[in-house]
Amino acid sequence: KAGVTQTPRYLIKTRGQQVTLSCSPISGHRSVSWYQQTPGQGLQFLFEYFSETQRNKGNFPGRFSGRQFSNSRSEMNVSTLELGDSALYLCASSFGQGGTIYFGEGSWLTVV
Amino acid sequence: SQQGEEDPQALSIQEGENATMNCSYKTSINNLQWYRQNSGRGLVHLILIRSNEREKHSGRLRVTLDTSKKSSSLLITASRAADTASYFCATGDQTGANNLFFGTGTRLTVIP
Repeated sequence: KAGVTQTPRYLIKTRGQQVTLSCSPISGHRSVSWYQQTPGQGLQFLFEYFSETQRNKGNFPGRFSGRQFSNSRSEMNVSTLELGDSALYLCASSFGQGGTIYFGEGSWLTVV
Repeated sequence: SQQGEEDPQALSIQEGENATMNCSYKTSINNLQWYRQNSGRGLVHLILIRSNEREKHSGRLRVTLDTSKKSSSLLITASRAADTASYFCATGDQTGANNLFFGTGTRLTVIP
């Protein structure tokens, strides 16, 4: 069974631009969540979607948004990029609540 | 902010030795998961232990959980050079929600 797939793996954007990252969960998984990893702040939860509804949200500004489609695939968007948004963005999926959460390889975003 | 702290921050051992990493967290949990991360890569799930479990094994891995002390430990026996990675604990809150709170990680180096 394929794992969590994230695209693109690497990207470089300019300050002020926006970016969209994509995630395909493990087949059958309906929960998709997103995390940001930086050297300074470590791994931080962004938001979780389940059946196309945002179920939980972390403490990030409104520039960070996401959505989930009917096939459970998810996208996250960051608008008006800042240098501090440079990070590894990780997508994770799970079947339901309270179970094993599997992560993808991540998308490396560099903002210049 | 991150919920957990891991100790030590870095650990260097010889191949064949055992490695023990500790994780402390702050609030009541539903479960605790351990992950491995190779440099620049995604998170690989190692083991999940539920709040009503005290010990769990998987191959060369042994995880303990002490909810009264809000702490967990990961033991890797007979370490190999391929175990070189960062190890993170992550907790899910009592509601069972899928937003994980990560520790700061332990950087393990296994010297051949």
